Amino acid sequence: QQQVKQSPQSLIVQKGGISIINCAYENTAFDYFPWYQQFPGKGPALLIAIRPDVSEKKEGRFTISFNKSAKQFSLHIMDSQPGDSATYFCAASMTGGGADGLTFGKGTHLIIQP
Amino acid sequence: DAGVIQSPRHEVTEMGQEVTLRCKPISGHNSLFWYRQTMMRGLELLIYFNNNVPIDDSGMPEDRFSAKMPNASFSTLKIQPSEPRDSAVYFCASSPRTGGMGWDRGTEAFFGQGTRLTVV
Repeated sequence: QQQVKQSPQSLIVQKGGISIINCAYENTAFDYFPWYQQFPGKGPALLIAIRPDVSEKKEGRFTISFNKSAKQFSLHIMDSQPGDSATYFCAASMTGGGADGLTFGKGTHLIIQP
Repeated sequence: DAGVIQSPRHEVTEMGQEVTLRCKPISGHNSLFWYRQTMMRGLELLIYFNNNVPIDDSGMPEDRFSAKMPNASFSTLKIQPSEPRDSAVYFCASSPRTGGMGWDRGTEAFFGQGTRLTVV
C-alpha cells in the first residue's frame, strides 16, 4: 500500500519557469512533510519541510503549499534553474509510535532546460 | 563531520552469495535507517534503529535480509543468499532524533551516498 503518491514521474521546465510537483497522502496521523532533493550518485538531502498547522512555507525559491483537508501538498520551484535539475521526493512521517521513519513518494525527475 | 559513510559504494556479486553492506552514522546521532531505492518502488524503509535497538523492521522484505547495530557508530545490512531482484541502491541515513521526538530541520535524516548492489 503506497501511503504517499507523487506526480508527475518526470517533468521538463524551461529555465526561469515554475516547477510544480504534487503529492497526496492517506494517513491522517502524518504530521511532518519534507521534500528531499537527490542529485545523481548522491543520497537524498532535505530541501524544505512543513507541518500541517500552516498552509504554506517558503525558503528562497522553494515553496511548499499544504492542503490538510485534501491531504495534498506540493512543491513549487520559482525561477527554475538548470542547477535545480534533480530527482525530488516528497515524504511524510508522524511523531511517536514505533514506525516513525519517513515514507517517501516514488520521486519526480526534474529537468530544467537552459 | 564527514557525514554518513557507507561502504562499499558498488558491489557486484553472484546469486546465492552473501552480501554485507556497512554504515557509519554521523557521530552523536541516535537514529539510523536503512532504505532501498529502485526505479519501480522508489525509496523503501527497510529497518529503523533507535539507540542501537531495532524499532521497526516491518520493511525488511524477507528472512534473507538481516540488520545489526552492535554500537552507536556502526551498522550492517546483510543479504544471504542474495538474488537478482535484490539489485538496488541501498541507503543508510542517520538522525539526531530520538524516538518520540518530532521531526524538524534540526532532526532531519542525513543520507549516505549509497551502495549500488548488483546481483548477477
